[in-house]
Amino acid sequence: GQQVQQSPASLVLQEGENAELQCNFSSTATRLQWFYQHPGGRLVSLFYNPSGTKHTGRLTSTTVTNERRSSLHISSSQTTDSGTYFCAIASSNTNKVVFGTGTRLQVLP
Amino acid sequence: EAAVTQSPRSKVAVTGGKVTLSCHQTNNHDYMYWYRQDTGHGLRLIHYSYVADSTEKGDIPDGYKASRPSQENFSLILELASLSQTAVYFCASSPGGGDTGQLYFGEGSKLTVL
Repeated sequence: GQQVQQSPASLVLQEGENAELQCNFSSTATRLQWFYQHPGGRLVSLFYNPSGTKHTGRLTSTTVTNERRSSLHISSSQTTDSGTYFCAIASSNTNKVVFGTGTRLQVLP
Repeated sequence: EAAVTQSPRSKVAVTGGKVTLSCHQTNNHDYMYWYRQDTGHGLRLIHYSYVADSTEKGDIPDGYKASRPSQENFSLILELASLSQTAVYFCASSPGGGDTGQLYFGEGSKLTVL
């Protein structure tokens, strides 16, 4: 089945620094989505990005489909960016959407 | 914005008891999913469905049943709750695959089995 690995597992930044989060998967993905999970548990969709590059505010997602990888770039980090980031993938031959292991981000003031 | 509503939001159950978690979506989505999340870990797929009256097993289906009586409703059933099923459960829906495959999540249901 589809395997999804995220790196790093955790990351600590000083406010204002940039972050690059990686998502690698074992099979070609036709569905790929990045989520942010608040410390309280609520999941927020950041990007639906099965291919190419998308931007919103300080966030950029880039997916290279044939290399089976996606990245999430956070520029000028803020303390409110602290939380856990997940990527979620579905392969072309299945409707199963599988989550990665997550990256826990802490941004210090 | 897609609306996915879960109930109950929190529940305490006894070992061996029956628990039903309900999920309702109002956006005419074909796909619905149940995930569980253990403290400090990612989300794991339990069951999913892409059409009413049909369910599919996810990666960790043992100990759980699912029911999709209508397009709007998707339930997760624990016939004999166990301590190991203490977790937060999330329901999600999506319109379809490919370009329309975005997941919309509910707020989660915290289950504690004692």
